[in-house]
Amino acid sequence: QVQLVESGGGVVQPGRSLRLSCAASGFTFSGFAMFWVRQPPGKGLEWVGVVSYDGTNKYYAESVRGRFTISRDNSKNTVFLQMNGLRGDDTAVYYCARAFGGTYFSGLDPWGQGTLVTVSS
Amino acid sequence: EIVLTQSPGTLSLSPGERATLSCRAGQSVYSSKLAWYQQKSGQAPRLLIYGASTRATGIPDRFSGSGSGTDFTLTISRLEPEDFAVYYCQHYGSSPFTFGGGTRVDIK
Repeated sequence: QVQLVESGGGVVQPGRSLRLSCAASGFTFSGFAMFWVRQPPGKGLEWVGVVSYDGTNKYYAESVRGRFTISRDNSKNTVFLQMNGLRGDDTAVYYCARAFGGTYFSGLDPWGQGTLVTVSS
Repeated sequence: EIVLTQSPGTLSLSPGERATLSCRAGQSVYSSKLAWYQQKSGQAPRLLIYGASTRATGIPDRFSGSGSGTDFTLTISRLEPEDFAVYYCQHYGSSPFTFGGGTRVDIK
């Protein structure tokens, strides 16, 4: 079945970096755009960014642009979120999700289980 | 950026009742590219509706979506115990692909 599994979360000090991974299985990964969405504790969902099926196009939320970078390795069925210059307000559960229609102009389905990133000194 | 405003913030209803959730966009959503998600406590969100009115695979027909332009509605015709959760709308017609703030459906 279609599955997404995030990893790489943890506790990191402000200003430091962290890289999240999302391993996909059960579908042709190279045919789908992939999203990252985050959710601060007790709050709502916030779109972080998206990468096209081939990695050539990427869009980011204003809150992370210039600090976060999305990339993908289609040979390993994995999408990454490189987070630099982390701040306290980046503390959240980070989800990866597939653009179920292929392009980023479609809904998100399915979602991974999420990985918690805590930025704290 | 399209700002999505969901109302009410919390809806307190009993099982068997009808739930009507609203999602209003600050500008027209291109081609009704609007989705609804359900999130239960401690779980990842799940896609319910896309294209404003099309149910995702496996979603019961008590869930329905409607609307276009700037006003969208998610209706749950008869609440089941498993439907008490938080619901989010999201537009995906253009970047940034923003989410609404969510509506919590609580047991009355």
